[in-house]
Amino acid sequence: GAVVSQHPSWVICKSGTSVKIECRSLDFQATTMFWYRQFPKQSLMLMATSNEGSKATYEQGVEKDKFLINHASLTLSTLTVTSAHPEDSSFYICSAPLAGGFTDTQYFGPGTRLTVL
Amino acid sequence: LAKTTQPISMDSYEGQEVNITCSHNNIATNDYITWYQQFPSQGPRFIIQGYKTKVTNEVASLFIPADRKSSTLSLPRVSLSDTAVYYCLVATNQAGTALIFGKGTTLSVSS
Repeated sequence: GAVVSQHPSWVICKSGTSVKIECRSLDFQATTMFWYRQFPKQSLMLMATSNEGSKATYEQGVEKDKFLINHASLTLSTLTVTSAHPEDSSFYICSAPLAGGFTDTQYFGPGTRLTVL
Repeated sequence: LAKTTQPISMDSYEGQEVNITCSHNNIATNDYITWYQQFPSQGPRFIIQGYKTKVTNEVASLFIPADRKSSTLSLPRVSLSDTAVYYCLVATNQAGTALIFGKGTTLSVSS
C-alpha cells in the first residue's frame, strides 16, 4: 500500500524551543494532508488540515500561531510546534488520502513522539 | 459526520474469530465505513473499507446490513499480534475529508 513517512520519529526538546515535524507521502502525491495529536490512552484528535498551496485549516481550539503548518509540495507537509511547553508533549500523526477507484483511502504516518522538558 | 459507537474493550483467545460491531445510526448516503488498527506508538493502519453488504480481504471481513446503521469487523483466527485498538470510522470518501476518530475498541488476545 501507499507509504507515508514522518521525521523525526521522536524528539526531546527544552521548554520554549520550536520543533519541526515532517510528513511525506513517499509514492503518491497528496494535495491534502491531515495532522492529528494523540495523548496516552486516548484516541486521535484532528488538529488541522494541510492544503498544498494554501493556508491550513485548524480545528476549533487549536492555536494556529502555535502549530504552524506548511504544505510545501505535493509530497511534504510540516508541522512546527513553536515555543513548545510540557503540555505539548504528545504523539503527533499525519495522514494523507490516496485517490483510487471509487474511494479515497487515508494512509497514516508512523507518528512522532514529542517530549518537552 | 456520523458518530460511531463501539465497545470499549474485548477479550479473546488465540485461534478464535473476533467480531467487533460498530453502530452508526445517522450514516449518510455518501458515507463509507472504514476500519483501522492501531498498535501502541504507531500510526493507524488501514484494515478494510466498505459501503454495503460484505467485503473481504486477506486480513478481515466487513459485514454491513442493508440499512447500513451498523457494521461488523470480523477477524478470523486471531493471534497475539492482533492485540490492538480498532477504530470504526464513517465518512464521505472525498479528498479533503478528514477522519474523525471515536474511542475505538481495545482488543486483547491471550494465549
